[in-house]
Amino acid sequence: GEDVEQSLFLSVREGDSSVINCTYTDSSSTYLYWYKQEPGAGLQLLTYIFSNMDMKQDQRLTVLLNKKDKHLSLRIADTQTGDSAIYFCAETSGAGSYQLTFGKGTKLSVIP
Amino acid sequence: GAVVSQHPSWVICKSGTSVKIECRSLDFQATTMFWYRQFPKQSLMLMATSNEGSKATYEQGVEKDKFLINHASLTLSTLTVTSAHPEDSSFYICSARTGSWDGEQFFGPGTRLTVL
Repeated sequence: GEDVEQSLFLSVREGDSSVINCTYTDSSSTYLYWYKQEPGAGLQLLTYIFSNMDMKQDQRLTVLLNKKDKHLSLRIADTQTGDSAIYFCAETSGAGSYQLTFGKGTKLSVIP
Repeated sequence: GAVVSQHPSWVICKSGTSVKIECRSLDFQATTMFWYRQFPKQSLMLMATSNEGSKATYEQGVEKDKFLINHASLTLSTLTVTSAHPEDSSFYICSARTGSWDGEQFFGPGTRLTVL
């Protein structure tokens, strides 16, 4: 089946930039997503990128997509303690299938 | 924005009982709803896809007789865990798709099920 891989942990100091990486195997992926999950809560969609884009910026968030290498990254500028959470990378192949395939999530810890 | 609610947010039950979890789209009509299961420190695993008015499509390895899904209206889907056992203890999350553009799903806050 299709696979999405992420590193499990990332620790950064408050004010620094965080970069969370993700790789995927589905070459037919059409949309790639980043979700944030705070403890005991559901998922919040942070941003998404369509597969024909290389980059998308939304305030402190920058998504970079290398389709050739099937590599996706999420950069959070000026990381704050409120950014501490688990970040999930997910993909869908679209084409009538709206099923998301999630990575295991990266736990971001922000050190004050 | 699109809001999805789940009820209850947590439930504790005895082994052998059945538990029903509701998922509601509060301000939009959801043509498709999804049920996920998340174990501690693990990713979300899709259990089933539910379209209003039709039978749910279950993922491989998910017992449809144990996890009953009903999607009776465009705003409500229910997941019933029948004859629950301790191994069914998990965090169950639903999501709903608006259909407004390709692919976006809105997630509920999740239901923590503990089976004693």
